[in-house]
Parts: sequence; C-alpha cells; structure tokens
Amino acid sequence: DGGITQSPKYLFRKEGQNVTLSCEQNLNHDAMYWYRQDPGQGLRLIYYSQIVNDFQKGDIAEGYSVSREKKESFPLTVTSAQKNPTAFYLCASSIKLGPGELFFGEGSRLTVL
Amino acid sequence: GDSVTQMEGPVTLSEEAFLTINCTYTATGYPSLFWYVQYPGEGLQLLLKATKADDKGSNKGFEATYRKETTSFHLEKGSVQVSDSAVYFCALYNNNDMRFGAGTRLTVKP
Repeated sequence: DGGITQSPKYLFRKEGQNVTLSCEQNLNHDAMYWYRQDPGQGLRLIYYSQIVNDFQKGDIAEGYSVSREKKESFPLTVTSAQKNPTAFYLCASSIKLGPGELFFGEGSRLTVL
Repeated sequence: GDSVTQMEGPVTLSEEAFLTINCTYTATGYPSLFWYVQYPGEGLQLLLKATKADDKGSNKGFEATYRKETTSFHLEKGSVQVSDSAVYFCALYNNNDMRFGAGTRLTVKP
C-alpha cells in the first residue's frame, strides 16, 4: 500500500539535544511538507519542498532544519534553538505543489523533558 | 494574509443528530476549499473539497458548499454516527499557500 510513514511515533528529548524525525513516502509525490500541530491551533507550516534538493521555509521555520536528498524522504531536525519544541509533528505530501490533496502521515509526538 | 476561521469546539451530539460546523475564510482571488478529518491518533485525511464558487463537495454523508458571497464553506451531515467522532479542519489553498483552521472536535454519543 502506498502512503507516508513517519517515525518514531513518540519521542522524548532532553533540553539542548537535537532530534530528527523521519518521513518517507512511496506515492511518487514531488511535494512534501512538515506541519506542527498544537492544541487549539491549526496546522502551521514549518518547511516544504516541491522537488528534490530544494526546500522553502514556512511560517515557523526558526529552530528547524530539513533536507530533501531523495524524492521519497524529507527528514525534519528539531534543533536546540527551537524554544518550545514539544508538539505533534505531521508530514504530508502531494503530487505537486498546488491545490491538490495532501496525504498525511500518522504524526510524531515530541516531548522535551 | 489569507486565513480560515472555524467554529470553536468541542461539539457534542447524540447519534443521528444534525451536524453543522461553520467555516469562513478571508482570501484574495479564488481559493480552493477543503475539509480534512483527523481521527484519534492519526494524521489528517481529506474529507471533501470544492474548487470554485457554488461547488458542493460531498463524501461519506458530509457536504459543504463553496459560498463566495458569504466567504463560507460550512460542513454539514444529516445524521451523525459515533464513528464520526474526530477533529475536523477547514482549509484553503491560494497562491501556493495552504491555510488550516484551528480544528473543531466532534464527539458523538450513542
């Protein structure tokens, strides 16, 4: 079955540590996205990529970094510079950047201790 | 900038009740409009969409009509089931930008 796989599902981190969240898709989609979800707020875009080796900052990119070395993979690193990293992180993809359907992974919940 | 406002939750209904979740938007031009649903412990999935004024999106008994005159895209279902319990997100796409509302949690009791 095609889809998006995020790992790990739950992650605990100590303050000052970087952590990388994995996102892999086998849908052959060009565009991939990372969103952050906090209680009572909509999804906020962190980074997006419309093609391999290219990515753009979203609304809340500070303290995060990404790479897009392969079409299938779009890992997100939450760095120690992110002031409030505890959140639910969602990865998504679409055929191309545009008004088409977004396909989401099941999410990764990061808790900073 | 573009934005989406949806009714605050949580919403609690009895099974077979009528559901309305309000969504209004602010955008220039002609955005595409979406409703996504998030079941417990899962990512979001597309429920329905509409790409131009007066279009009606429908799926699984849910409907929403793109009303440009009132800048609205309200979600409705005539008879909810316990399995409809989830968080519902209204969203718009415009100028290479997707914006989500804050989400409305729906709980349906038997």
